[in-house]
Amino acid sequence: KAGVTQTPRYLIKTRGQQVTLSCSPISGHRSVSWYQQTPGQGLQFLFEYFSETQRNKGNFPGRFSGRQFSNSRSEMNVSTLELGDSALYLCASSLGVQWTLPDTQYFGPGTRLTVL
Amino acid sequence: GENVEQHPSTLSVQEGDSAVIKCTYSDSASNYFPWYKQELGKRPQLIIDIRSNVGEKKDQRIAVTLNKTAKHFSLHITETQPEDSAVYFCAGGSARQLTFGSGTQLTVLP
Repeated sequence: KAGVTQTPRYLIKTRGQQVTLSCSPISGHRSVSWYQQTPGQGLQFLFEYFSETQRNKGNFPGRFSGRQFSNSRSEMNVSTLELGDSALYLCASSLGVQWTLPDTQYFGPGTRLTVL
Repeated sequence: GENVEQHPSTLSVQEGDSAVIKCTYSDSASNYFPWYKQELGKRPQLIIDIRSNVGEKKDQRIAVTLNKTAKHFSLHITETQPEDSAVYFCAGGSARQLTFGSGTQLTVLP
């Protein structure tokens, strides 16, 4: 099976702009989680989607949003970009079979966002 | 929410020696503890995971132990090789919300 893919791999934006990142999960996986990775804060959970519904959300401002489509592909959007949003954005997919049982998460290669 | 602490932040070992990385967690409701390896410029790759109903799990040179009472879990790598050099992250949580530790840079010296 093909792994998790993310597009684009690199992005350069300026402050105040908005950006949309895309994630295609492993075929058959219905859950997609998003993480922000920075040298200072490490890997931080943004949100998780399952069956087009956001089920979990981390402690990020409302400028960070996401959605999931019927084919399980997911997008995240960051509006009004700030310098501190520069990071590697990773998505991870999992089967998502049962709500309460933990699933193995498989990560995509990430999108490197630079905000100037 | 969950808080995961990881130690040490850097670890250097001689090739062939063992490496141990330790993590503690705060939320007793957490029931899933994966370990990821991330090489420079690459995606995190799952190397082993353990669920709260298991105390120990082993996969070749890698083992993980979990002490639910003390709320800590550890990664053990035996017979280390240069290709084991990477950043290792522990994580804890339930279902699909994971809290990650701050990472350990492991360097295996030839």
